[in-house]
Amino acid sequence: AQSVSQHNHHVILSEAASLELGCNYSYGGTVNLFWYVQYPGQHLQLLLKYFSGDPLVKGIKGFEAEFIKSKFSFNLRKPSVQWSDTAEYFCAAMNTGFQKLVFGTGTRLLVSP
Amino acid sequence: GAGVSQSPRYKVAKRGQDVALRCDPISGHVSLFWYQQALGQGPEFLTYFQNEAQLDKSGLPSDRFFAERPEGSVSTLKIQRTQQEDSAVYLCASSLAGRWDQPGELFFGEGSRLTVL
Repeated sequence: AQSVSQHNHHVILSEAASLELGCNYSYGGTVNLFWYVQYPGQHLQLLLKYFSGDPLVKGIKGFEAEFIKSKFSFNLRKPSVQWSDTAEYFCAAMNTGFQKLVFGTGTRLLVSP
Repeated sequence: GAGVSQSPRYKVAKRGQDVALRCDPISGHVSLFWYQQALGQGPEFLTYFQNEAQLDKSGLPSDRFFAERPEGSVSTLKIQRTQQEDSAVYLCASSLAGRWDQPGELFFGEGSRLTVL
């Protein structure tokens, strides 16, 4: 069955630390991958997406993610986090033609100033 | 407003009551989705509409759940005879992309938080 797993449920970092959040997917066929972010009290927003082409994808607010097909992974990275990055981060996947976005369980990131 | 609007934002229901949750998608968006998000979990897919057609309802947990989008814009998710396990945030999302298009960005509403006592 299609699934997305996120390894870290809670991450605590100090400002300026580097961030990497793990995401693995289990999908057959062509997969489209996404990272969404939910800031406290706000709705889910798209951070970045991968459909095809360059496996290193750059998103908003300095985030990037790398699609590694051999590892079925799509990890999210940011070189230097800020307090304002405190949020919950969701990895998600979808097959083209099947408009069903499957989410991971999310990672809560707390950045201390 | 320009975003996806959901109402009510909060709903408390007694077990056995029926509830209706409304979603106003972004104007012109072809696709509309409902998700259920339990506490501490990621959103779980419930159902998908392309215009007024419900193309996928595989995620609806029981026949007590029913969704419609009769005119291809506003959608309503109805839960009959609510149970405690229905307590969750119900998220609506819309997208410009149709089913066979390259997946587009899903724009989410703020959700309707349902608490069943």
